[in-house]
Amino acid sequence: AQSVTQPDIHITVSEGASLELRCNYSYGATPYLFWYVQSPGQGLQLLLKYFSGDTLVQGIKGFEAEFKRSQSSFNLRKPSVHWSDAAEYFCAVGPSGTYKYIFGTGTRLKVLA
Amino acid sequence: DAGVIQSPRHEVTEMGQEVTLRCKPISGHDYLFWYRQTMMRGLELLIYFNNNVPIDDSGMPEDRFSAKMPNASFSTLKIQPSEPRDSAVYFCASSPGTGDGYTFGSGTRLTVV
Repeated sequence: AQSVTQPDIHITVSEGASLELRCNYSYGATPYLFWYVQSPGQGLQLLLKYFSGDTLVQGIKGFEAEFKRSQSSFNLRKPSVHWSDAAEYFCAVGPSGTYKYIFGTGTRLKVLA
Repeated sequence: DAGVIQSPRHEVTEMGQEVTLRCKPISGHDYLFWYRQTMMRGLELLIYFNNNVPIDDSGMPEDRFSAKMPNASFSTLKIQPSEPRDSAVYFCASSPGTGDGYTFGSGTRLTVV
């Protein structure tokens, strides 16, 4: 069965520091992969997506993610974090051609001034 | 476009009462999804529609839950009768097609007392 794991429940970084949020998935083929961000009291906003092509994808707000098939990972990165990036981040995975997306449990990011 | 619009933002009701949550998707988006978010279970897909037709309702927890999409611009999720364990944030999302990711609404926070 497909699954997605976000190993870090909470992450704290200083403003200006680099960030990497981990996402691992279990699926037989290359699935659709997404990262979303959720600010308090808000819905989820799509940051970026991957389903084929270049394994390094660029998203909004300066985020990028790299698909690594050999590691079944799709980690989210940002070179310099801003205080406004404090939020919860969700990785999602689903088989191509369907909408049975599974969301990870989320990583809550705290940014220190 | 105003995005996905959900109403109400907050709903407090007594156990046994009927609750109706409403959603207006983005115009032109052929897919509509209802998700539920809780601390214990994370984000769960309840049901999704394609061109107003329910495609997969396997995530609907019980017969107390029902969803309709009478036209392309409106959907409802109804809980009758409501129970305290239904307390959660309910999100509606829409998408133009497979692989495009979702646009989420701001959610309805439901509290059943």
